[in-house]
Amino acid sequence: ETGVTQTPRHLVMGMTNKKSLKCEQHLGHNAMYWYKQSAKKPLELMFVYSLEERVENNSVPSRFSPECPNSSHLFLHLHTLQPEDSALYLCASSQEGTLAGEAQFFGPGTRLTVL
Amino acid sequence: AQSVTQLGSHVSVSEGALVLLRCNYSSSVPPYLFWYVQYPNQGLQLLLKYTTGATLVKGINGFEAEFKKSETSFHLTKPSAHMSDAAEYFCAVRRGGADGLTFGKGTHLIIQP
Repeated sequence: ETGVTQTPRHLVMGMTNKKSLKCEQHLGHNAMYWYKQSAKKPLELMFVYSLEERVENNSVPSRFSPECPNSSHLFLHLHTLQPEDSALYLCASSQEGTLAGEAQFFGPGTRLTVL
Repeated sequence: AQSVTQLGSHVSVSEGALVLLRCNYSSSVPPYLFWYVQYPNQGLQLLLKYTTGATLVKGINGFEAEFKKSETSFHLTKPSAHMSDAAEYFCAVRRGGADGLTFGKGTHLIIQP
């Protein structure tokens, strides 16, 4: 148990559906991240939020829309996805400040299948 | 730009043998280096990290890694493999601040009885 929870753990959706992934961290951290892990590619950073402001968006298609309403919660809203978007979506958090190099702590992931 | 290369997508060792997982990085600034482990159907768990100071870093479960700047390497070792070490291992680098991690492709560690 890392202190980062993700729901749902598994999600199957059609290409026309709209769904949301939720992440919650109980560590008091001030930065949160979304990563995508697919079978044939390395872990890819999608979005970074620091102090609830989006600081990085790694050329992610607009069918993925993140939301960070407060420092403990992070959402990934999904719409009109493609089958190639099927992957494990991992959320992470870290405490950023004067000490550089702080580790990120990961949730268990949401296994997404797009039909 | 940063990148991480993990040599060997699969490594197989016998139970009780030395584990050596290789990681080389490239970074334009002093890097912060991490090793994570992923068990099936789970997220990533931090094994150890290097930020500054001592170049030999000890982590959980008996693992350690040595930062060698001249070789741009951060190899992970464990003196004696255990069956429970079978998992996927990821090396990662970041620049610092609220910066995402850049991961290697991962090494699948297989432990032979």
